Amino acid sequence: EDQVTQSPEALRLQEGESSSLNCSYTVSGLRGLFWYRQDPGKGPEFLFTLYSAGEEKEKERLKATLTKKESFLHITAPKPEDSATYLCAVQADNQGGKLIFGQGTELSVKP
Amino acid sequence: NAGVTQTPKFQVLKTGQSMTLQCAQDMNHEYMSWYRQDPGMGLRLIHYSVGAGITDQGEVPNGYNVSRSTTEDFPLRLLSAAPSQTSVYFCASSYSKQGQQPQHFGDGTRLSIL
Repeated sequence: EDQVTQSPEALRLQEGESSSLNCSYTVSGLRGLFWYRQDPGKGPEFLFTLYSAGEEKEKERLKATLTKKESFLHITAPKPEDSATYLCAVQADNQGGKLIFGQGTELSVKP
Repeated sequence: NAGVTQTPKFQVLKTGQSMTLQCAQDMNHEYMSWYRQDPGMGLRLIHYSVGAGITDQGEVPNGYNVSRSTTEDFPLRLLSAAPSQTSVYFCASSYSKQGQQPQHFGDGTRLSIL
């Protein structure tokens, strides 16, 4: 069964304290792995797509990496405005556009 | 730059009532989908559509109907509301029905069933 697990469930950081969020996945064949940011009361906002092991993508203080079993979202020198829930989702081969989501990591960055 | 628009933003229903959640996108996307988001459960796929006139079931379809008469609109119907359908509902769209393209989400409808 295709499955996505994110850890930790919640992460509290001080401003400037770098850390990583984990997304472990089990899928028959990976078509793509997606990272989203979700602010309270809003819909998920797309951040990155990763397609194959070894691929990396960066945007401001965020860097996403991918292996054959997991993805990491590295946050370098975070700021309070990075506080949000970060969602990971996978698309499997032969499943069209269907996304399988993890439960998310709630990130809080204190000044 | 409307993107994906969902209405209403909030709704309270009584058990047994029916209602339609509206979703419209202005990006000419082929693929549209409905998810529900519950605490500790993540986003779960209810129904999806790969184009006008074509719909299919997702992971949790029971109690919901959809139709896609135009490319732009993808309404979700609750036939007879139950307290278990209290949730936040998100509509999403994507350029490609084949996947590999990101899905763009609306800001959700928060639904309470009493």
